[in-house]
Amino acid sequence: DADVTQTPRNRITKTGKRIMLECSQTKGHDRMYWYRQDPGLGLRLIYYSFDVKDINKGEISDGYSVSRQAQAKFSLSLESAIPNQTALYFCATSVTGGNQPQHFGDGTRLSIL
Amino acid sequence: QKEVEQDPGPLSVPEGAIVSLNCTYSNSAFQYFMWYRQYSRKGPELLMYTYSSGNKEDGRFTAQVDKSSKYISLFIRDSQPSDSATYLCAMSAQGAQKLVFGQGTRLTINP
Repeated sequence: DADVTQTPRNRITKTGKRIMLECSQTKGHDRMYWYRQDPGLGLRLIYYSFDVKDINKGEISDGYSVSRQAQAKFSLSLESAIPNQTALYFCATSVTGGNQPQHFGDGTRLSIL
Repeated sequence: QKEVEQDPGPLSVPEGAIVSLNCTYSNSAFQYFMWYRQYSRKGPELLMYTYSSGNKEDGRFTAQVDKSSKYISLFIRDSQPSDSATYLCAMSAQGAQKLVFGQGTRLTINP
């Protein structure tokens, strides 16, 4: 089983719909992250959480919200999806402390029509 | 100007060639450097992790950091078709809580 699991793996939806992407991990890491990946733009940080009570905005948080339900679960919501949110979304985890490498799930491919 | 610049490629080389992948950066505070490999429809996986300047070798892979030039490289020797993937560099400053990623270079090794 994967250490970092993202569901769904693929999703097609319509403009204006509310969407939730889920991430769960069995690595026991405290820190979790949400990124989006677009061609030519690399990975951009949406939100990150250092523990259940700590949520921080990344560089592109507008239009997104998150919930850290437990140490192992971190979900990303698009309240009202728009086409330019079509992208690959990745969840990542890391141990506590600076400069730690991050461990990624296999992503959710999201298409908004 | 982006903090980290990486040539997106695509880069296509024959099997057995030596591959050089590079990133430049502007923040002199960066001290921790990573290379991730990402196969199609998969998430990035950590390939190499280095601190400060110098070289680190792991099998066919060598990571090189030149802090004076703000330049890092990943060399792949005896490249194989299974090395075909997108390679992303990432880096952070001492004590930083976040990584800064390059755009990724798409590499294809032709049999």
